[in-house]
Amino acid sequence: DTAVSQTPKYLVTQMGNDKSIKCEQNLGHDTMYWYKQDSKKFLKIMFSYNNKELIINETVPNRFSPKSPDKAHLNLHINSLELGDSAVYFCASSHRDRGSEAFFGQGTRLTVV
Amino acid sequence: GENVEQHPSTLSVQEGDSAVIKCTYSDSASNYFPWYKQELGKRPQLIIDIRSNVGEKKDQRIAVTLNKTAKHFSLHITETQPEDSAVYFCAPSRWGYNKLIFGAGTRLAVHP
Repeated sequence: DTAVSQTPKYLVTQMGNDKSIKCEQNLGHDTMYWYKQDSKKFLKIMFSYNNKELIINETVPNRFSPKSPDKAHLNLHINSLELGDSAVYFCASSHRDRGSEAFFGQGTRLTVV
Repeated sequence: GENVEQHPSTLSVQEGDSAVIKCTYSDSASNYFPWYKQELGKRPQLIIDIRSNVGEKKDQRIAVTLNKTAKHFSLHITETQPEDSAVYFCAPSRWGYNKLIFGAGTRLAVHP
């Protein structure tokens, strides 16, 4: 039973294209995140949503737009993809009342060519 | 904003040796101190955590120690095994806070 699942696992696309990554959690958590992990393994927070509301929006280009249709889903849409967007994107979730342990999805390896 | 630093960035040990990774943070309101392990090609997963009312916590071969005054906490792995090879991240935060800032990671290599 997958706790945090994201699709697709791999995404190869050309510069300039628009793509989406989907994330769903079945843990009943109220907070969901998107992280970007570059080739040096640095995990950088991009967005944080609590109960469908945007809480954190780090210095991320406007080309990245998160959408949370409900508490269990947080999707990431990326417009006009650039070479520098190539990375592994992780979705994660946690629950405010149960501390801060984050449960991560399997990651989406995005390659822009 | 919060500043989180991990040292060392890479660590190479022989199987059976001990490994220690240190995490220093700047937010004095932090009261939750977890360590995550990320194996190659896998997702990060919590391996041990501690809250600020406790100075040390142990779980078999791994332990976390906290020095709240000095604002640092450490991960200790004893009797290291090849399967301990991974990248380890600290993520000090406030309990229940919607923001997890991770350290830059420490790549641990355990050689047989």
